[in-house]
Amino acid sequence: GEDVEQSLFLSVREGDSSVINCTYTDSSSTYLYWYKQEPGAGLQLLTYIFSNMDMKQDQRLTVLLNKKDKHLSLRIADTQTGDSAIYFCAEMVGANNLFFGTGTRLTVIP
Amino acid sequence: GAVVSQHPSWVICKSGTSVKIECRSLDFQATTMFWYRQFPKQSLMLMATSNEGSKATYEQGVEKDKFLINHASLTLSTLTVTSAHPEDSSFYICSARRASDEQYFGPGTRLTVT
Repeated sequence: GEDVEQSLFLSVREGDSSVINCTYTDSSSTYLYWYKQEPGAGLQLLTYIFSNMDMKQDQRLTVLLNKKDKHLSLRIADTQTGDSAIYFCAEMVGANNLFFGTGTRLTVIP
Repeated sequence: GAVVSQHPSWVICKSGTSVKIECRSLDFQATTMFWYRQFPKQSLMLMATSNEGSKATYEQGVEKDKFLINHASLTLSTLTVTSAHPEDSSFYICSARRASDEQYFGPGTRLTVT
């Protein structure tokens, strides 16, 4: 399978920016996604980026893609306590194959 | 929006029994449904992909006789864990996709086998 890696934990203070990083291995991925998982819940799609883009901004969220280094990041501006969750990056390879990272647990300190 | 539900949200069963989990797309027709398994503090692993009316395609290492998937209609897929054992305890998440669209995830089902 594909290797998609993330750091496991991140703590930030409320109001600061959070940056969650992800590295992947398959250069043929078409789309890259960020999902949010709150405790005991399923996955919520936050945003995605097409592989030929290098940046996408959506309100407080900014996605940066460095395709050469196979590095994806999600920046959350003005992080709030409601942003505390596990964040998964995922890469789409082919039409159906979605490979997830290990997830980063974001803790926002009031 | 596109809503996917799962039932039950949690289930406890005794070792050796079978458990059925339902995944429904509530407001759209899903041509493809996916089943994932998530171990504690780990990522999601794709178990199988199913298209309506055809047999599911299982990922390597997933026992098809143990995890029975039936995609009976464009809005319903079921996962049956047969002869469950404690090591099958996990969080099972389904997702549904309509043609040329993203995957929409269900809320998940927590299975505990005692």
